[in-house]
Amino acid sequence: SYELTQPPSVPVSPGQTASITCSGDKLGDKYACWYQQKPGQSPVLVIYEDTKRPSGIPERFSGSNSGNTATLTISGTQAMDEADYYCQAWDSSTVVFGGGTKLTVL
Amino acid sequence: EVQLVESGGGLVKPGGSLRLSCAASRFTFSNAWMSWVRQAPGKGLEWVGRIKSKTDGGTTDYAAPVKGRFTISRDDSKNTLYLQMNSLKTEDTAVYYCTTTSHGSFHYWGQGTLVTVSS
Repeated sequence: SYELTQPPSVPVSPGQTASITCSGDKLGDKYACWYQQKPGQSPVLVIYEDTKRPSGIPERFSGSNSGNTATLTISGTQAMDEADYYCQAWDSSTVVFGGGTKLTVL
Repeated sequence: EVQLVESGGGLVKPGGSLRLSCAASRFTFSNAWMSWVRQAPGKGLEWVGRIKSKTDGGTTDYAAPVKGRFTISRDDSKNTLYLQMNSLKTEDTAVYYCTTTSHGSFHYWGQGTLVTVSS
């Protein structure tokens, strides 16, 4: 079965750029999307179709996807961005989520 | 703003059944593809299954762990999505979220409903 792999944790200092990766076989041939989840809250879509931001998502969130890796980039990271982030893709007619990455803003 | 409100969660014994509902509003439910996603306590997100709109065939797809035990259905006249869960196992314990599905992504999420499977 298809798998997506994310690092368990990524530390970042306020104001710096955070990059969270998601790896899967030929992931670049699929669309990747990303969700942010804060404690006790429902997930929020922050990137879809590799690079698109839903309305209301700050411009500091961006995405890319090529080869075997999709990347979520948060520029000028703020304390409010501390959360769990999950990547997601479709494989045939089923959905796969990555295991999640805890972004810690130090 | 799209609203999704799940209900029906609770405590059930292994082998039992439960039906979750998701009341949708503020968008054209009949045109929407809908999914259920779950999250076990302290764990990551896991897709449960999806149902297409009736105009797109109304077909369903399921994740391997629930296939044959869970059934997703919809009542467009009531703007409601359902998840019928049978033969429940302890590993089905999770918060279950109702979501809209478009462009391959889950754009809107409900607040979730907790299902606990325990003897």
